[in-house]
Amino acid sequence: DTEVTQTPKHLVMGMTNKKSLKCEQHMGHRAMYWYKQKAKKPPELMFVYSYEKLSINESVPSRFSPECPNSSLLNLHLHALQPEDSALYLCASSQDLSDNQPQHFGDGTRLSIL
Amino acid sequence: AQSVAQPEDQVNVAEGNPLTVKCTYSVSGNPYLFWYVQYPNRGLQFLLKYITGDNLVKGSYGFEAEFNKSQTSFHLKKPSALVSDSALYFCAVRGVPNTDKLIFGTGTRLQVFP
Repeated sequence: DTEVTQTPKHLVMGMTNKKSLKCEQHMGHRAMYWYKQKAKKPPELMFVYSYEKLSINESVPSRFSPECPNSSLLNLHLHALQPEDSALYLCASSQDLSDNQPQHFGDGTRLSIL
Repeated sequence: AQSVAQPEDQVNVAEGNPLTVKCTYSVSGNPYLFWYVQYPNRGLQFLLKYITGDNLVKGSYGFEAEFNKSQTSFHLKKPSALVSDSALYFCAVRGVPNTDKLIFGTGTRLQVFP
């Protein structure tokens, strides 16, 4: 069992839909991450939050909108996505930013854009 | 610039034989090095890390890795492979002084045959 929980596990949406991905951790970690992963490729960093503030945005298109309501939750709001956005979206957390502790990953949300 | 190379897309090994998954890195300063494993339809699971100290690092599931500063390598090893070890393995690095990002290699698929 992973300590980072992501919901939903699967999501199919049309290009005009609005949906949200959710991530939750109760390890007291203060850094949280969103990654996008295509099949058989490494994860690509999208966003990093540190102490509930956005620290890094890797030039992600505005159709992806992150939100960190509190230290345990991380959301990714989706709107007007494109077929090429179909991927596995992974959330991760770590004790803090810029430390030597590993990131803990959830099992991801598999997103399909019709 | 930091980078990680995993020169083998796939490694095949017979069950019971030793396995090695190769990783080389390039960072300015001292590296923090990590190995993660990803099973189908799962997130990344942390296996082990090298921060400082003993060059031989032991991790989960009987895996170990050897840090070699002169060769800038951090190869993952296991004395006796199991069929259940078949998965996708990622090496990752953070440079010191730390950046906020984990840089992943391209991944190596390990196939263990009965």
